[in-house]
Amino acid sequence: GQNIDQPTEMTATEGAIVQINCTYQTSGFNGLFWYQQHAGEAPTFLSYNVLDGLEEKGRFSSFLSRSKGYSYLLLKELQMKDSASYLCAVRDEDYKLSFGAGTTVTVRA
Amino acid sequence: ETGVTQTPRHLVMGMTNKKSLKCEQHLGHNAMYWYKQSAKKPLELMFVYNFKEQTENNSVPSRFSPECPNSSHLFLHLHTLQPEDSALYLCASSQGTSEIYTGELFFGEGSRLTVL
Repeated sequence: GQNIDQPTEMTATEGAIVQINCTYQTSGFNGLFWYQQHAGEAPTFLSYNVLDGLEEKGRFSSFLSRSKGYSYLLLKELQMKDSASYLCAVRDEDYKLSFGAGTTVTVRA
Repeated sequence: ETGVTQTPRHLVMGMTNKKSLKCEQHLGHNAMYWYKQSAKKPLELMFVYNFKEQTENNSVPSRFSPECPNSSHLFLHLHTLQPEDSALYLCASSQGTSEIYTGELFFGEGSRLTVL
């Protein structure tokens, strides 16, 4: 089966930066996704990486290294509304998507 | 509003009941999915439908029975469930399942199921 690891919980202060790491071991690779899920709400798409490097989208950036099986999601200038669960998901050689268990980020004032 | 609507949002049922979860997408997508989300566990894919045809059944017990009458609607029929089936059931849609699409999923807000 596919293996996707990310930390269970992270806490940071408002205005700070938090980096959520995701490592994966999958049969083949056809893209990595990050989703945000607020408590009681639907997961929503944040970013998609298929080539190595950094993708920046406002306060959020996502990085991918395919050779290392590694990605991170960088959240800058944290706001209270960023408190949520962040899900890493990888699409394998058969274009099937597997999810990590999610990282719960708590932003404190 | 993600364009994917699930009903009911909450459901409590006994082990002998029969109930159904409904999902509707307004995005013109061709693929629809059922996922199970349990606390502290990865999202677990249950079923995939592409152009109304089931393309994946991830070894799901037969007490869960999906139905896809058209590309916009997806149901999950529930019968003689167990307490361990209590979870959040998420429906999602995407443009398609093949390599020509990025595979971005659009999720509904889920149906919180409690089996007594």
